[in-house]
Amino acid sequence: ETGVTQTPRHLVMGMTNKKSLKCEQHLGHNAMYWYKQSAKKPLELMFVYNFKEQTENNSVPSRFSPECPNSSHLFLHLHTLQPEDSALYLCASSQEVLGLEIEETQYFGPGTRLLVL
Amino acid sequence: AQTVTQSQPEMSVQEAETVTLSCTYDTSENNYYLFWYKQPPSRQMILVIRQEAYKQQNATENRFSVNFQKAAKSFSLKISDSQLGDTAMYFCAFIDTNAGKSTFGDGTTLTVKP
Repeated sequence: ETGVTQTPRHLVMGMTNKKSLKCEQHLGHNAMYWYKQSAKKPLELMFVYNFKEQTENNSVPSRFSPECPNSSHLFLHLHTLQPEDSALYLCASSQEVLGLEIEETQYFGPGTRLLVL
Repeated sequence: AQTVTQSQPEMSVQEAETVTLSCTYDTSENNYYLFWYKQPPSRQMILVIRQEAYKQQNATENRFSVNFQKAAKSFSLKISDSQLGDTAMYFCAFIDTNAGKSTFGDGTTLTVKP
């Protein structure tokens, strides 16, 4: 148990569907992250939220829309995805994004395995 | 921009032996953190060990230790007494403290053979 949960664990959707991925952290952290991991590829950072504010958008297509209503929850809304978006989507949290003295370790959730048909 | 390079896509080691995974990085920053994460077949990312750049002492966690050479921008992971459960993909990661940005290497697939 890492303290970071993700739902659903598996998702199959068509290209015209709208779905959302949910991430919740129980660690009292203030920063949350979305990563994409395609088959046999390195992790790609998608979004970073620090104290509910988006601080990083790594040129992610607009068909991915993040939402961070509070420091404990992070959503990734999906709309009109493409088959190449099929991947493992990992959520992570850390104490805070900035600050040398702050714990910077990211703790990952189990991921959502997404298949776009 | 920061880059992280893991030059060994795949490695194998016999059970109970020692193996070293290499990682080099490039940055102009002075304050940063380095991590090794393990991703077993379950795909769950698990923190193995971390190193603060301002600390000269190499981090150690049980059978896992690092050789941190700041001047050479090298951060290798040594696994002693390898166990079958160590079979996984290992990612080296760099976090720029000032920018709050993380960069991961391509990963090294480690197989521990019985």
